[in-house]
Amino acid sequence: NAGVTQTPKFQVLKTGQSMTLQCAQDMNHEYMSWYRQDPGMGLRLIHYSVGAGITDQGEVPNGYNVSRSTTEDFPLRLLSAAPSQTSVYFCASSYFGTGEETQYFGPGTRLLVL
Amino acid sequence: GDSVTQMEGPVTLSEEACLTINCTYTATGYPSLFWYVQYPGEGLQLLLKATKADDKGSNKGFEATYRKETTSFHLEKGSVQVSDSAVYFCALSDALTGGGNKLTFGTGTQLKVEL
Repeated sequence: NAGVTQTPKFQVLKTGQSMTLQCAQDMNHEYMSWYRQDPGMGLRLIHYSVGAGITDQGEVPNGYNVSRSTTEDFPLRLLSAAPSQTSVYFCASSYFGTGEETQYFGPGTRLLVL
Repeated sequence: GDSVTQMEGPVTLSEEACLTINCTYTATGYPSLFWYVQYPGEGLQLLLKATKADDKGSNKGFEATYRKETTSFHLEKGSVQVSDSAVYFCALSDALTGGGNKLTFGTGTQLKVEL
């Protein structure tokens, strides 16, 4: 049981480049989400999904796209990277319910946009 | 909207000292409250949670009580160890506002425990 996995661990991009951050979970969780972590700001929700084919925006969605074609995978796409997207990105998953559920986080992807 | 406020760090303590990290929240409904911990170089993991007023969450010697009257969920430990050095995040989820599983986080408090 690998839990939540993320790839890559580190990435350096130039402004305007695109990339996809991968996230996968093997716990059959309905709910998956992406957060970014910036100093002094905690974690902020980018996008989330309550099941395959269903996604919605979080607090800071601009510049990011997501899709959910399977229960297991929830990739995050940066279409045209900007320096403001330099951050640490965390994927999380849980069962979907009333909000009492424990969220399981991946190890994170550290992204630097030059 | 929902928000979480927690004390700023870093907090530096000697081993075996008592720890309190303050956390207060604003929410429309009746949120579930969480403390997550992030060890260096790792993702977040759940430390403890409480889902209704007066509930006490506990784990690994840490405790926090859901206080609806003061909208607080302070984290406490009677005797910290070097291995407790980490960043601690207070968070809430509020199903009433349509949040479901969405977490609102505080800014995090870094704890450093020295010998």
